[in-house]
Amino acid sequence: GEDVEQSLFLSVREGDSSVINCTYTDSSSTYLYWYKQEPGAGLQLLTYIFSNMDMKQDQRLTVLLNKKDKHLSLRIADTQTGDSAIYFCAEGAPRGTDKLIFGTGTRLQVFP
Amino acid sequence: SQTIHQWPATLVQPVGSPLSLECTVEGTSNPNLYWYRQAAGRGLQLLFYSIGIDQISSEVPQNLSASRPQDRQFILSSKKLLLSDSGFYLCAWSVIDSNTIYFGEGSWLTVV
Repeated sequence: GEDVEQSLFLSVREGDSSVINCTYTDSSSTYLYWYKQEPGAGLQLLTYIFSNMDMKQDQRLTVLLNKKDKHLSLRIADTQTGDSAIYFCAEGAPRGTDKLIFGTGTRLQVFP
Repeated sequence: SQTIHQWPATLVQPVGSPLSLECTVEGTSNPNLYWYRQAAGRGLQLLFYSIGIDQISSEVPQNLSASRPQDRQFILSSKKLLLSDSGFYLCAWSVIDSNTIYFGEGSWLTVV
């Protein structure tokens, strides 16, 4: 079945790197996504990676994909207090259904 | 550019009362439309998705219904709310055959 798992909480000091992990089950997913949800707001697409890639870097964000282990991670370099939010991992459902399967979200708290 | 609006932003309703949440998308034609729910402390659950006018699929059995009377309008309704309907409701859209989904700002529903 379809299942995306994430740890619920992560706490880091400002200036350190944050690594948020995600595991998924559907090996046919073509895209994997990271969304950010700030308090009381909708979801903002942060970045995504195509399944034939191992890594994608976008400024302070680095996405790593281990397709063999179905493991996805998001690394945030030089974490700032403004990065405090819930981060959702999502996998694209099989092509043609246009649906995403979301994880439960990881709440990142950045302290000074 | 494309924009998505949903309203109301917050709603407090008594048990047994009706519900209507509305969502509109601008700047695109024939989008896929979605309603997600985020219950307290839980991840995102897909409730409904629509690939066209009056074409709606329900993902989970529940006390809610959805309608799409116009191409870029998606409405979430209930005839009689339950306490368990409380949560954060997110409307979203995507281009057909694209897994990238864009979210609205969300609507907080509290059933009392």
